[in-house]
Amino acid sequence: DTEVTQTPKHLVMGMTNKKSLKCEQHMGHRAMYWYKQKAKKPPELMFVYSYEKLSINESVPSRFSPECPNSSLLNLHLHALQPEDSALYLCASSQASNPSNTEAFFGQGTRLTVV
Amino acid sequence: GQNIDQPTEMTATEGAIVQINCTYQTSGFNGLFWYQQHAGEAPTFLSYNVLDGLEEKGRFSSFLSRSKGYSYLLLKELQMKDSASYLCAVLAYSGAGSYQLTFGKGTKLSVIP
Repeated sequence: DTEVTQTPKHLVMGMTNKKSLKCEQHMGHRAMYWYKQKAKKPPELMFVYSYEKLSINESVPSRFSPECPNSSLLNLHLHALQPEDSALYLCASSQASNPSNTEAFFGQGTRLTVV
Repeated sequence: GQNIDQPTEMTATEGAIVQINCTYQTSGFNGLFWYQQHAGEAPTFLSYNVLDGLEEKGRFSSFLSRSKGYSYLLLKELQMKDSASYLCAVLAYSGAGSYQLTFGKGTKLSVIP
């Protein structure tokens, strides 16, 4: 199993809604990432979890709240988003403890539209 | 911080060979990835280099020189479906068991008949 699964694939939400994006992997990876990607731009790192602990938070607004319940799951909780937050949200994972054999795998992304 | 540079756009002919270059500056280097991304889709892993030299995988090859902070992706026997953005990404160790993957801006490759 070399898949990173993200749900939902598409999400439309109002600015007052609360929603969550989910990401799951069963490759035994201990590093998981959230990226935000706007059209025609490279993915931008938002958060990194290493061994279920938040290790990098790239100055992301507090309306985005990550959570790593266990080593296989990563959530991104959304609240009071703005229209400019509309983007493709990508989850990725990699083997944090063995960099000589590291591949970073991406999920298919959640296409988020804030109205 | 990290600095990653790659050309913005390239055009090549079907059946030809194209080389996409990437230069980088980083501390804690732990490898360089190449990804292919078609419009509206997630990046797809192509290659990973952590030691100097050439890695070949079918029509795609990737080269790394750590001393020069330089990598290239070589695509042979180009096909129309190879038209996509190609992202260079550097993995760096940021301490306490944490790694950070930073992407270049991507090279949009157009393959023409």
